[in-house]
Amino acid sequence: GEDVEQSLFLSVREGDSSVINCTYTDSSSTYLYWYKQEPGAGLQLLTYIFSNMDMKQDQRLTVLLNKKDKHLSLRIADTQTGDSAIYFCAESSGGGADGLTFGKGTHLIIQP
Amino acid sequence: ETGVTQTPRHLVMGMTNKKSLKCEQHLGHNAMYWYKQSAKKPLELMFVYSLEERVENNSVPSRFSPECPNSSHLFLHLHTLQPEDSALYLCASSQGTLRQPEEDYTFGSGTRLTVV
Repeated sequence: GEDVEQSLFLSVREGDSSVINCTYTDSSSTYLYWYKQEPGAGLQLLTYIFSNMDMKQDQRLTVLLNKKDKHLSLRIADTQTGDSAIYFCAESSGGGADGLTFGKGTHLIIQP
Repeated sequence: ETGVTQTPRHLVMGMTNKKSLKCEQHLGHNAMYWYKQSAKKPLELMFVYSLEERVENNSVPSRFSPECPNSSHLFLHLHTLQPEDSALYLCASSQGTLRQPEEDYTFGSGTRLTVV
């Protein structure tokens, strides 16, 4: 079946850029998403990208998509302590009430 | 407040108990979902309701029984669960519009379930 893979942990220094990577296997993925989950909370949508785009920027967030390699990344510029959370990559193949397929999440750890 | 409210936040139940999880949204969404989040595993989509009709059931054991009485409410009835069912159960809702990104996909804070 479809699979979304992420590394489980990423540690960065405060003020540096964080790059969280994700790979997926479903070639029919139409939309790819990044969600953030803080402790004790549900998932918050950060951004999404349509599969015919290769880059999307939103303030400190930059999403890069390599559709050929099925690779998605999320770059967080000037990482702050408030960015400490679990970041989930997810994909869907067309919207509608399909549900999303998620990765296991990457735990972003900020060092002072 | 996320717009999707789940109760209770925490639940401890024995294997012979019957309990229900509740989810409520007033965002005008047409689709609602139950996900299971276990440690070190991807979120697992359990059930999807669109316009109050179940459209997906991902091989979930029958000890989990969903109910969607109207477009604003979703329940997950639990019966004779196993310890491995302990997890965070997340509800979500979305507009459910075909061929549109689910940018309005909104999650609740979840119910932390522990089966003893």
